[in-house]
Amino acid sequence: DGGITQSPKYLFRKEGQNVTLSCEQNLNHDAMYWYRQDPGQGLRLIYYSQIVNDFQKGDIAEGYSVSREKKESFPLTVTSAQKNPTAFYLCASSRQVSTEAFFGQGTRLTVV
Amino acid sequence: KNQVEQSPQSLIILEGKNCTLQCNYTVSPFSNLRWYKQDTGRGPVSLTIMTFSENTKSNGRYTATLDADTKQSSLHITASQLSDSASYICVVSIILTGGGNKLTFGTGTQLKVEL
Repeated sequence: DGGITQSPKYLFRKEGQNVTLSCEQNLNHDAMYWYRQDPGQGLRLIYYSQIVNDFQKGDIAEGYSVSREKKESFPLTVTSAQKNPTAFYLCASSRQVSTEAFFGQGTRLTVV
Repeated sequence: KNQVEQSPQSLIILEGKNCTLQCNYTVSPFSNLRWYKQDTGRGPVSLTIMTFSENTKSNGRYTATLDADTKQSSLHITASQLSDSASYICVVSIILTGGGNKLTFGTGTQLKVEL
């Protein structure tokens, strides 16, 4: 069945380590996004991509990196430069930037 | 200051009752407004999406209204069920200079439905 799949659901990382969160969609959507959700705050945009091999920084891109080598995949790497990485990370996709966005089930990252 | 303000922050109602959630926004230029439902620990799920010209849109027991002049929206839930317990997030899409859209998220209203 179609949808967006994020993995893993839970992830633990030691300080100083990089970690990559997976996001795959089979909806044939052009646009994909990464958001971060913290308690008491609205979702904040980290990176987005409107087309393969192109991506743009969002509001809080520092300490993160992405790639878009395939239409279906938009992995997010949380680097050691991200000072406060513990959060709930959500991936989304949409046919176009202006149309309805569909979200994955999220990855909860905890730095230990 | 968040450009999309939701109220109340949290709400508890009895099963079977109705409730209305509010969303005020200051962002512009406006493209569309969306309401999402997010269960704890899950990704948001779209309930409605309304453009500038739409005043109301329904999805089952959920009815959203939009007043683009006053920049206000509401989400009305009828005959609430225990499964309605979730966070309801208002999202405004704005048009960016040079094209494209950007989503601005409210912090959500946490709804709990009790027996």
